[in-house]
Amino acid sequence: DVKVTQSSRYLVKRTGEKVFLECVQDMDHENMFWYRQDPGLGLRLIYFSYDVKMKEKGDIPEGYSVSREKKERFSLILESASTNQTSMYLCASSFPGSGRETNYEQYFGPGTRLTVT
Amino acid sequence: DAKTTQPPSMDCAEGRAANLPCNHSTISGNEYVYWYRQIHSQGPQYIIHGLKNNETNEMASLIITEDRKSSTLILPHATLRDTAVYYCIVRVAQAGTALIFGKGTTLSVSS
Repeated sequence: DVKVTQSSRYLVKRTGEKVFLECVQDMDHENMFWYRQDPGLGLRLIYFSYDVKMKEKGDIPEGYSVSREKKERFSLILESASTNQTSMYLCASSFPGSGRETNYEQYFGPGTRLTVT
Repeated sequence: DAKTTQPPSMDCAEGRAANLPCNHSTISGNEYVYWYRQIHSQGPQYIIHGLKNNETNEMASLIITEDRKSSTLILPHATLRDTAVYYCIVRVAQAGTALIFGKGTTLSVSS
């Protein structure tokens, strides 16, 4: 079974702190994603990566950066945490696929609930 | 990506079939329909996807209308553990891109 793990289930940080959220997958997936989920807003994409050292901005990248130094690991960094970054953060991974018959199935981790005070 | 419309909530009795509708009237020819669900406090889980033919797997069935403007996810015998938010997503199956999740349908299964 594919496994996507996230470093913490719950995290409390202070405003202005630098925060690292780690995600590791064990299926040799090329693609990895970071989302945040807020009540009433669904899931929103922050960043994604389709290869080591490659990254693309999602819909809401402001205030975040990412790092993909190894294929299995994708880190989300909050350079200076703010209270509006209090949220549930979800990591996902998938194969890149090819052609029209691609099964674009994403595997999600359990999420990290971050509270910034 | 085509926009999808789902009812915000639905109820279902345990053991009965749950039919979750999704409208995607602006879907284009190369876009697939995907369904995911999210049980409380867990990450989303892939259920099923299809292009134009009906699909079935061990979790659910997906019925897509002939004009592809709407679809229905069917859980044939809902259980309490199927209580979750169900997301219908329409997009191309393209490498290096992400899924866009809307607000979904909250399905409540009761005994």
